[in-house]
Amino acid sequence: NAGVMQNPRHLVRRRGQEARLRCSPMKGHSHVYWYRQLPEEGLKFMVYLQKENIIDESGMPKERFSAEFPKEGPSILRIQQVVRGDSAAYFCASSLQTSGRTDTQYFGPGTRLTVL
Amino acid sequence: AQSVTQLGSHVSVSEGALVLLRCNYSSSVPPYLFWYVQYPNQGLQLLLKYTTGATLVKGINGFEAEFKKSETSFHLTKPSAHMSDAAEYFCAVSYSGGSNYKLTFGKGTLLTVNP
Repeated sequence: NAGVMQNPRHLVRRRGQEARLRCSPMKGHSHVYWYRQLPEEGLKFMVYLQKENIIDESGMPKERFSAEFPKEGPSILRIQQVVRGDSAAYFCASSLQTSGRTDTQYFGPGTRLTVL
Repeated sequence: AQSVTQLGSHVSVSEGALVLLRCNYSSSVPPYLFWYVQYPNQGLQLLLKYTTGATLVKGINGFEAEFKKSETSFHLTKPSAHMSDAAEYFCAVSYSGGSNYKLTFGKGTLLTVNP
């Protein structure tokens, strides 16, 4: 039973390049969440997606960041024109469904983005 | 707004000793509380969670935590540490509202277990 998969695990980009981070949820999960962990900080919520829909993007920076979860394939977090401040660990989580009670989120190993 | 404070970024214990990792939260509504563990090069794994009901929650690997509303705390304990417990531990909170999926994490506590 494969867990949440993220790739690449490490990504190095130069300032101004684009970064694409991929997340494959656990089998059967249709809810995906992205979190960012800046150095010396806790994980912070960025966005919540269901298949083909963005449900809550209140934690996403207003510019350069976008996320999608297409009908087929992994969820993608895209960062355009990266800057040094984007260097962080990006974690993806998935859940089976949400309900009145909070649903357990299962996390991937993260992608460590370094911007030179 | 929610926040989580984990006291001690690094805790060191001897094998067989009590493990106590502290977590305090702030929330304006009844919270849901979580402890996650992260081993090197792995994703965060849920240890235990409190939503409603019994305030003493038992989790995997012998860990437990007690929700104390009056102290706004959710400290994680284990009676006897094992070498395999060495990892980073994260406390998180969400709340029983429409955005209950939105976890707010503490900065983490790195647990070292000495032989």
